[in-house]
Amino acid sequence: AQSVTQLGSHVSVSEGALVLLRCNYSSSVPPYLFWYVQYPNQGLQLLLKYTSAATLVKGINGFEAEFKKSETSFHLTKPSAHMSDAAEYFCALDTGGFKTIFGAGTRLFVKA
Amino acid sequence: DTAVSQTPKYLVTQMGNDKSIKCEQNLGHDTMYWYKQDSKKFLKIMFSYNNKELIINETVPNRFSPKSPDKAHLNLHINSLELGDSAVYFCASSQETRDRGVAFFGQGTRLTVV
Repeated sequence: AQSVTQLGSHVSVSEGALVLLRCNYSSSVPPYLFWYVQYPNQGLQLLLKYTSAATLVKGINGFEAEFKKSETSFHLTKPSAHMSDAAEYFCALDTGGFKTIFGAGTRLFVKA
Repeated sequence: DTAVSQTPKYLVTQMGNDKSIKCEQNLGHDTMYWYKQDSKKFLKIMFSYNNKELIINETVPNRFSPKSPDKAHLNLHINSLELGDSAVYFCASSQETRDRGVAFFGQGTRLTVV
């Protein structure tokens, strides 16, 4: 069965510190993977996507993610956190057939 | 010019009532979706439509009835509302043939059933 697991429902970092949000997936076919961000009282916005091209994917706002097939992971990173990065982050897997599975989300807190 | 717009943004209603949420996208996408986000932020697909045809129905109670009058619109009607229906409902759209899995979301409709 296809699934997405996000490790850690809450992550707290200091401003300027590295951001690392973890995502593992399970898929019997080559996966299409995504990271979305949700700011308070807003819809989700696409941060970046992996579609079997380069394993290191760069997205908006300085975020990037690395696809590691051997570890079935797609972790999201940003070298230096800003206060404006505080939000809910979702890892997602497109299953094909017009259906995307979302992880449970990770709330990122950024301390001044 | 909003790409995916939902109305209303907030909806407070009593148990047993019937309500509708409307969604429109101006992106020219072929596929539209309804998602439900619960109080713990868990996001689950309810329905997906492709070219006005129902593709996915994720074991949603039949009190929920989506309707797609054309490719740009996907409305959600809910009958006999229950307390457990309280959630944020998101509409989204995508163009699977061009950019598989990349969805554009509306701002959400916060439904509160009292």
